[in-house]
Amino acid sequence: GAVVSQHPSRVICKSGTSVKIECRSLDFQATTMFWYRQFPKQSLMLMATSNEGSKATYEQGVEKDKFLINHASLTLSTLTVTSAHPEDSSFYICSARATSPRAAYNEQFFGPGTRLTVL
Amino acid sequence: GDSVTQMEGPVTLSEEAFLTINCTYTATGYPSLFWYVQYPGEGLQLLLKATKADDKGSNKGFEATYRKETTSFHLEKGSVQVSDSAVYFCALSDTYSGYALNFGKGTSLLVTP
Repeated sequence: GAVVSQHPSRVICKSGTSVKIECRSLDFQATTMFWYRQFPKQSLMLMATSNEGSKATYEQGVEKDKFLINHASLTLSTLTVTSAHPEDSSFYICSARATSPRAAYNEQFFGPGTRLTVL
Repeated sequence: GDSVTQMEGPVTLSEEAFLTINCTYTATGYPSLFWYVQYPGEGLQLLLKATKADDKGSNKGFEATYRKETTSFHLEKGSVQVSDSAVYFCALSDTYSGYALNFGKGTSLLVTP
C-alpha cells in the first residue's frame, strides 16, 4: 500500500510550451501533497504545499504563475510548468501525506519523479 | 528556520564495513526526523524515522537515534552491502512547516565488493 505515482516519468519539450505533471495517490487519500524540485547531485527543495480544495502555498522564490498547482481531489495533484525554459529543466518529485491515522506519524510517500528537459 | 546538515560525500566503503553518516539539525519546535534513501534511477524511499527524543529508528540493519541534546540523528549500519549503494537523505518535519520535509543535501554511498 501507500503508492504514489507520477506521470509522465520523463518529458522533453520545446522552450515556451507548457507541461503538466500528475501526482496520484493510488491506494490512500491525501489531503496534502508536496512538490519538490531536485537539481543534479543536490537535495530536494520544497516548491509548494498543495491542500485539497484550496490554493497552494508556495515557498519563497517560487513563481506561482509559472508553476501552477491544482489539487482537485484527495488523490490527484497536478503541477503545470507554464512557458517552460531550459532553466526549468529538473527532476520534479511529489509526495503525499496520508490522512489519519497515518497522518499522525507525519509520513509522506514519494512519487518516482518526473525528469523534465526543456530544449 | 529549520535546517538539516549532513556529511558530504561521496562515501566509499568496502563490503561489510561499518557505516556512519552524520546528520545534525536545527529546529524551532519538536520535529520528527527521517532518513530517506534514493537508489539509482528510483524515487525516494523512507528508510527509518523517529518522532521524539531518544527514539531509535531501525530498518534493514540501519539505525539512527534521535538525540535532542546534540540535535543529531546519525545513520549507522554495522555491515554494509553492495546493494546499500545509494544516496541517503536526512530530513525533518514539524507542524510549523505544515509537515513539509526539510532535507539535507544528501550523502552518496558507494559500497565496493
